[in-house]
Formats: sequence, structure tokens, C-alpha cells
Amino acid sequence: GENVEQHPSTLSVQEGDSAVIKCTYSDSASNYFPWYKQELGKRPQLIIDIRSNVGEKKDQRIAVTLNKTAKHFSLHITETQPEDSAVYFCAASIRTGGSYIPTFGRGTSLIVHP
Amino acid sequence: DSGVTQTPKHLITATGQRVTLRCSPRSGDLSVYWYQQSLDQGLQFLIQYYNGEERAKGNILERFSAQQFPDLHSELNLSSLELGDSALYFCASSVDPAGLQSETQYFGPGTRLLVL
Repeated sequence: GENVEQHPSTLSVQEGDSAVIKCTYSDSASNYFPWYKQELGKRPQLIIDIRSNVGEKKDQRIAVTLNKTAKHFSLHITETQPEDSAVYFCAASIRTGGSYIPTFGRGTSLIVHP
Repeated sequence: DSGVTQTPKHLITATGQRVTLRCSPRSGDLSVYWYQQSLDQGLQFLIQYYNGEERAKGNILERFSAQQFPDLHSELNLSSLELGDSALYFCASSVDPAGLQSETQYFGPGTRLLVL
């Protein structure tokens, strides 16, 4: 079936370093790619998203790139801070029934060491 | 605060029982989605309702059902509960005016269900 692969499952960096999380998807019709940050026991919160008509989007220290041909997209966090520590989920919209439903990757646990 | 509310926050029950989880979407959002998050399964899409009607179905068990009421709040009913149903259940909402393209989802705080 349609799925989203996310790597790595765990990422450990030093404060100030950059972090990159990569995802691949299988449905060529996917047109929406959100990224969520989830702190322990809390709700997933949207941090950035990108649509298929755009190749890159940036918001302060966070950027997302999309390669539709290769069907992969990545999250880049620069100048990481300890408060960036959380689980990050990518998602790709998959046609399901009468809707496009975000299908989530399995998550990346980012640990930023002070 | 996303504007999506869920009750209860925590629920402890026994195997074989039935529970109802409730979700109120953000003001103006017509679509409600339910997700199950287990430790080893990530976020699994269960079902979507749009303006009172079922729009899409994911990996929802036959023991589970949902509905969306005229005031747009939604309920997820879980019956004949098993130990493996213990998880965080999230509700999300989006505007989704026509369902022709994906819209941003806003998640509620979740209901933590523990089946003993």
C-alpha cells in the first residue's frame, strides 16, 4: 500500500549543529507535505508545510525541501537548541476515499545536547 | 492551543468494555479526523468525517465507530476493548472546503486510553 518512509528514527546532535530528517513517499499524486513536532505526551504541532508546486520553503531556522521527481522531502533545522528536542513526523497526502489524508512517517526522535 | 478540544484527557477501563471519546473541532472547520497513536505504530489514520458524513476510512477496526453531529463535534466509539487498544487517540480538524486538496490539520490534546 501507499506509505511514507522516514529516516533516521533517532538523531542526536550538539546544540548549534544542523539536523536533517528525510522522508520518501510512494504516491505520485501526493501534493501536500506537512511536518509536525510532538513533545512527550502532547499533541502534534505543525511546524512547516510545503505543497507540490514549491521546491523549498523556509521559516527562520526551519526549512523544507521537496523533490517531486525523486519523491522525497526533507526537514532542515539549523542552529539547533535544546528546546528543539522532540519527535518529528513527516506526512504526505494520500488519496483515500473522497479525501487526501496525510499519511505519517514513523517519526524521528531528535535529541539536542546542550 | 490549536482550538481543537477533546474529552476526556485520560480514560482507564477494562477489557470488554465500551468507551466514547469526544472531539470538538476548531470554529469553522468542517472536517474531523481521528488518529490512533501507539508506541510502536506512529500516527495511524482511523476515519474522517466532513460536515456530518463519512469521507474517508483508514485502518479502523470493526469494533470502532464514529460519527459527526450537526454541530460538527465528533465521537469515536470503541467497543469490546482489548489490551492492544491502549493508545493515545487524537482528533484533528481542518477547513477542507471541498476535499479537493489537502488542508492543514490541527490536532487536539488527545485522549489517553488505558485498557487493563
